[in-house]
Amino acid sequence: DQQVKQNSPSLSVQEGRISILNCDYTNSMFDYFLWYKKYPAEGPTFLISISSIKDKNEDGRFTVFLNKSAKHLSLHIVPSQPGDSAVYFCAATPGTWRTSYGKLTFGQGTILTVHP
Amino acid sequence: GAVVSQHPSRVICKSGTSVKIECRSLDFQATTMFWYRQFPKKSLMLMATSNEGSKATYEQGVEKDKFLINHASLTLSTLTVTSAHPEDSSFYICSARDSQARQPQHFGDGTRLSIL
Repeated sequence: DQQVKQNSPSLSVQEGRISILNCDYTNSMFDYFLWYKKYPAEGPTFLISISSIKDKNEDGRFTVFLNKSAKHLSLHIVPSQPGDSAVYFCAATPGTWRTSYGKLTFGQGTILTVHP
Repeated sequence: GAVVSQHPSRVICKSGTSVKIECRSLDFQATTMFWYRQFPKKSLMLMATSNEGSKATYEQGVEKDKFLINHASLTLSTLTVTSAHPEDSSFYICSARDSQARQPQHFGDGTRLSIL
């Protein structure tokens, strides 16, 4: 049972345009959501996160949106840069920083390619 | 910032060999560490949760006798793949929980294990 799903295996975007990566989840117990960036043969690098009490979190070029009723989150990258090309994983966990996080459940990943 | 070091980064060995992978938290104490496995073009699958001073908790379907986990100190967890076979070839990633950080986990750079 895939509790966190990224239905787009890949996304190709022109440099300067917006990249939108999507993620859906099924477990209502998830309280905290994260996006990771991963290069081949490297571990995931944390990008941005959002708590279930918020619907938007922004950090520079990266914005994460959360729609709890739809159990959907998205990562917006604008403007996209060639260096953003990587695999992006969304992840979810029950609990919070204050109450202690549970295990992370990852989506399948989306390969983002940003063309110059 | 917090750093997790994983060693070795790559291992190539013959079938039947046992391989040990180390995961160290460099500037924080990690009572909990996690071991993941990533198959090509797949998500990160949690194998086990390693707790300092106690037995690891394995996910369903992961063989405890095949993947031995030891978490003897607050900064070191090891994963030993015993009597490795070609089907054990994969990318193994560890992560560590820093109770003082807002991120749930910090990830190592992974180990590429290739069994001939």
